[in-house]
Amino acid sequence: AQSVTQLGSHVSVSEGALVLLRCNYSSSVPPYLFWYVQYPNQGLQLLLKYTSAATLVKGINGFEAEFKKSETSFHLTKPSAHMSDAAEYFCAVSEASGYSTLTFGKGTMLLVSP
Amino acid sequence: NAGVTQTPKFQVLKTGQSMTLQCAQDMNHNSMYWYRQDPGMGLRLIYYSASEGTTDKGEVPNGYNVSRLNKREFSLRLESAAPSQTSVYFCASSEGLVGQETQYFGPGTRLLVL
Repeated sequence: AQSVTQLGSHVSVSEGALVLLRCNYSSSVPPYLFWYVQYPNQGLQLLLKYTSAATLVKGINGFEAEFKKSETSFHLTKPSAHMSDAAEYFCAVSEASGYSTLTFGKGTMLLVSP
Repeated sequence: NAGVTQTPKFQVLKTGQSMTLQCAQDMNHNSMYWYRQDPGMGLRLIYYSASEGTTDKGEVPNGYNVSRLNKREFSLRLESAAPSQTSVYFCASSEGLVGQETQYFGPGTRLLVL
């Protein structure tokens, strides 16, 4: 069975500081990994995804994530936070086995202060 | 191009009442999903449909039924609502294989069961 653990339900940063949101996964087969973002009162939208190509994945709005198989991690980073990055972020995993639903983590709320 | 639309946006029910949540997508996607989002729980899959005419249970199907009416529409029915079904419900769709492609989410339906 697959699972996702997001460390920290809330992360606070100052504007201009590094953003680091942690995600560890468990999967018995090679995974596909996703980061989604949810702005207040909206649905989720894709930030980036890893599907077994390059291990460093670049997404929208300056975010990127690195797949590290040895650490079973897929942490999300951004060099410099903007106020507009304040949102809830979800890591998700599926199995690259041809037929597997997405399993989401519990989410991390990113708070950005001026 | 509206993407994924959901109706209603907000609903209040009394315990024991029934209702149907509607979802439609105009992207010609094969797969559609229903999730519920509860605070601190992330998104949990209720049901999904890999193609027109097929539906499968997700992680939390009890108390719900679904219908894939055609390729565009996927409805979720609560036959006898319970307070535990108070939640935000999201519909999503994706092209290609379940769990391996980007999912596109609707804006959500906020349901309160008294």
